Amino acid sequence: DTGVSQDPRHKITKRGQNVTFRCDPISEHNRLYWYRQTLGQGPEFLTYFQNEAQLEKSRLLSDRFSAERPKGSFSTLEIQRTEQGDSAMYLCASSPANQRDYGYTFGSGTRLTVV
Amino acid sequence: DAKTTQPTSMDCAEGRAANLPCNHSTISGNEYVYWYRQIHSQGPQYIIHGLKNNETNEMASLIITEDRKSSTLILPHATLRDTAVYYCIVRAYGGATNKLIFGTGTLLAVQP
Repeated sequence: DTGVSQDPRHKITKRGQNVTFRCDPISEHNRLYWYRQTLGQGPEFLTYFQNEAQLEKSRLLSDRFSAERPKGSFSTLEIQRTEQGDSAMYLCASSPANQRDYGYTFGSGTRLTVV
Repeated sequence: DAKTTQPTSMDCAEGRAANLPCNHSTISGNEYVYWYRQIHSQGPQYIIHGLKNNETNEMASLIITEDRKSSTLILPHATLRDTAVYYCIVRAYGGATNKLIFGTGTLLAVQP
């Protein structure tokens, strides 16, 4: 297992289009997180899954955003009707149940540019 | 989760120890101190965490004051590859939320 994988690494899309990102966590990690990061800021929490259950969503996650983790393994984050303000790095992280001892492992992110 | 305060930026000479401070004066008894770093264009990387005892691993040492209101991350021999944004985060383990809340961190620039 080589860590948390995110695909694509970069995405350029026109305003109004839909985009979908994929995250493959470390296989034995049952917790998965999505974050968004804009230039000069720290990552902002978007949502959290434990296995296939989405247990927490940030107010940042508007109705245009949806995340799924259908079988408790990989996850997808979809943004509908993209806006220029959605341009950011989207980061995925995973952790085992006993995250006290291990922290999170982050992927390298998907950089979205909305033109 | 308690709020943290870090300097915006710091410089360090290559080969010297880098000492990164963090204030967390409102930390609760069940909150851990976590440190992550983010090298340009990569995701954050876990470094170390602790509750009240000093901790050391292969990457760094974490010194937590006795009153737990502040801590210092020490990189004993900084290299150019340690240039990154360092985030200090406090979080309760097993609390209602499992998320990490990042601030803006400290940009450490290691100079040759």
